[in-house]
Amino acid sequence: AQSVTQLDSHVSVSEGTPVLLRCNYSSSYSPSLFWYVQHPNKGLQLLLKYTSAATLVKGINGFEAEFKKSETSFHLTKPSAHMSDAAEYFCVVSDPGAAGNKLTFGGGTRVLVKP
Amino acid sequence: GAGVSQSPSNKVTEKGKDVELRCDPISGHTALYWYRQSLGQGLEFLIYFQGNSAPDKSGLPSDRFSAERTGGSVSTLTIQRTQQEDSAVYLCASSSSPVNSYNEQFFGPGTRLTVL
Repeated sequence: AQSVTQLDSHVSVSEGTPVLLRCNYSSSYSPSLFWYVQHPNKGLQLLLKYTSAATLVKGINGFEAEFKKSETSFHLTKPSAHMSDAAEYFCVVSDPGAAGNKLTFGGGTRVLVKP
Repeated sequence: GAGVSQSPSNKVTEKGKDVELRCDPISGHTALYWYRQSLGQGLEFLIYFQGNSAPDKSGLPSDRFSAERTGGSVSTLTIQRTQQEDSAVYLCASSSSPVNSYNEQFFGPGTRLTVL
């Protein structure tokens, strides 16, 4: 069985300051990990994914995440927040040992960006 | 190009009525997924279709929920005798083959279901 824990349900940052969204996972196998973003009344959009090729993954809009197996973590960061980053972010795990690539979602972190 | 589309975008129904939610996946995507996003449960997997294989229904919460995928393309999620706890946003996603854990799932905008 796999699970994902997002350690913060809400994060508030000032525009231009760094963003850190924390995620820990549990998986029986070497997992694939994703970060998705959901803007208000919009669908989920993929930010980045880890598929074992490199532990530091760069995504869209200046986001990146680092896979740390020893810590079972996949934290998402951005050096400088922009107002358009205000959204809900989901850390997601896919278990390659399970058929069908069903995704297991974390509880989400809602990001507020203050001007 | 066209993404995943879902209809209706919003649906309000009375308790006990049946509802049908529709999903049009990206053309050529053989895998189709339904997820539910609710306040109490977060985002959870419901059902998965892959080509002409039997669907994986392991996430369906009760036998009031069913889904079909006709012709390997459009899918319909049906909820019979709706209950207030069925109120949620129902998300559809599709992905290309081969279906493995590396493939991105592309999500539709969702259908917001409200059961009064």
